[in-house]
Amino acid sequence: DSGVTQTPKHLITATGQRVTLRCSPRSGDLSVYWYQQSLDQGLQFLIQYYNGEERAKGNILERFSAQQFPDLHSELNLSSLELGDSALYFCASSGGQDLYEQYFGPGTRLTVT
Amino acid sequence: DAKTTQPTSMDCAEGRAANLPCNHSTISGNEYVYWYRQIHSQGPQYIIHGLKNNETNEMASLIITEDRKSSTLILPHATLRDTAVYYCIVRDFNQAGTALIFGKGTTLSVSS
Repeated sequence: DSGVTQTPKHLITATGQRVTLRCSPRSGDLSVYWYQQSLDQGLQFLIQYYNGEERAKGNILERFSAQQFPDLHSELNLSSLELGDSALYFCASSGGQDLYEQYFGPGTRLTVT
Repeated sequence: DAKTTQPTSMDCAEGRAANLPCNHSTISGNEYVYWYRQIHSQGPQYIIHGLKNNETNEMASLIITEDRKSSTLILPHATLRDTAVYYCIVRDFNQAGTALIFGKGTTLSVSS
């Protein structure tokens, strides 16, 4: 158990819809990262937040957005969903005493039909 | 980040040592070598990292060549639960708090 929690575990929705994925980082970790893993693209970095502020952006689509709240949990919002957005979405956290390691949650499997 | 090259797949018999190679010929002096693994559809898991000295922890050993152009991750007694994709990642010391860039990794299959 990494200490990072993600909800929901599975999500099935239709094209055009909007969903919100939630992540709670390890206690004491200030950084939250979101990654997407699809069959054809592998693990790709989407966005990072540090202590409530956006720190870095990766290959995140404009239809996607994220935020980190004062209690340090984070949400990833995916809108106007397309079939190609079907993937595993992982959240990771770092900071505190383990700056060099990232701890990944179990992921949310999104299926867009 | 420097690029890494890993074999696509490897096989290992249960109980034997699994030696996973990684080439990082363009690594610079400030860059660490990290290893993560991903067991089927689970979140990636940190294994070990090192700069130039060999490192060992409860999961594995990391051997880095003297010129730092390659490294080997060693799982001393592989079990079926070690079947996973193993990622070798090179990151600058100053990028400790930044995102990981994953390649395709090595799929290790451990069989009985």
